[in-house]
Amino acid sequence: NAGVTQTPKFQVLKTGQSMTLQCAQDMNHEYMSWYRQDPGMGLRLIHYSVGAGITDQGEVPNGYNVSRSTTEDFPLRLLSAAPSQTSVYFCASSYYSTSGPDNEQFFGPGTRLTVL
Amino acid sequence: AQSVSQHNHHVILSEAASLELGCNYSYGGTVNLFWYVQYPGQHLQLLLKYFSGDPLVKGIKGFEAEFIKSKFSFNLRKPSVQWSDTAEYFCAVNARTGFQKLVFGTGTRLLVSP
Repeated sequence: NAGVTQTPKFQVLKTGQSMTLQCAQDMNHEYMSWYRQDPGMGLRLIHYSVGAGITDQGEVPNGYNVSRSTTEDFPLRLLSAAPSQTSVYFCASSYYSTSGPDNEQFFGPGTRLTVL
Repeated sequence: AQSVSQHNHHVILSEAASLELGCNYSYGGTVNLFWYVQYPGQHLQLLLKYFSGDPLVKGIKGFEAEFIKSKFSFNLRKPSVQWSDTAEYFCAVNARTGFQKLVFGTGTRLLVSP
């Protein structure tokens, strides 16, 4: 199993540009999520999905869109990049139960994004 | 909504010293608790987790954590650290009632000097 894969590993954007961060998992996990990691702030949840066709907002959803057309893929779209979105982005997945993602979350290697 | 506090932002230890990293959460109901580790340049990996049962949980690489419900705490411990334990450590919690998202603390950077 490849686990959770993310592309690209690094990206530099100009303010106002849009792009999509890709995330895929091959573990048949229902639950997938996107986090951003900023110094001194830990990981903050951007969006999550509990299955194909179902997404919801996390703590910091503004400026980001997601969709979940398949179980495997969960892309994150930056609509109009801003310097405040400079961060490291992690995708994660896990099995899902009605009491929450109480199984281990598997993280991807991350995408380091810089917005100039 | 639940929240997590990690009071030690940076910790510097010498090899063989004992380690205890604090984690407190705020939520009145039943929770699942986790410690994740991020080694330099790598992604997060699960160190240990607590769902129920014995409040003393043992994880990988000699780490353990104790859940003290009355103190809303889940401190991470290791009796003797190694240089290879240099990493950032994150405590995380999710509430068990209904679907609740996993919430992370701000992390503790541990530097172990040889």
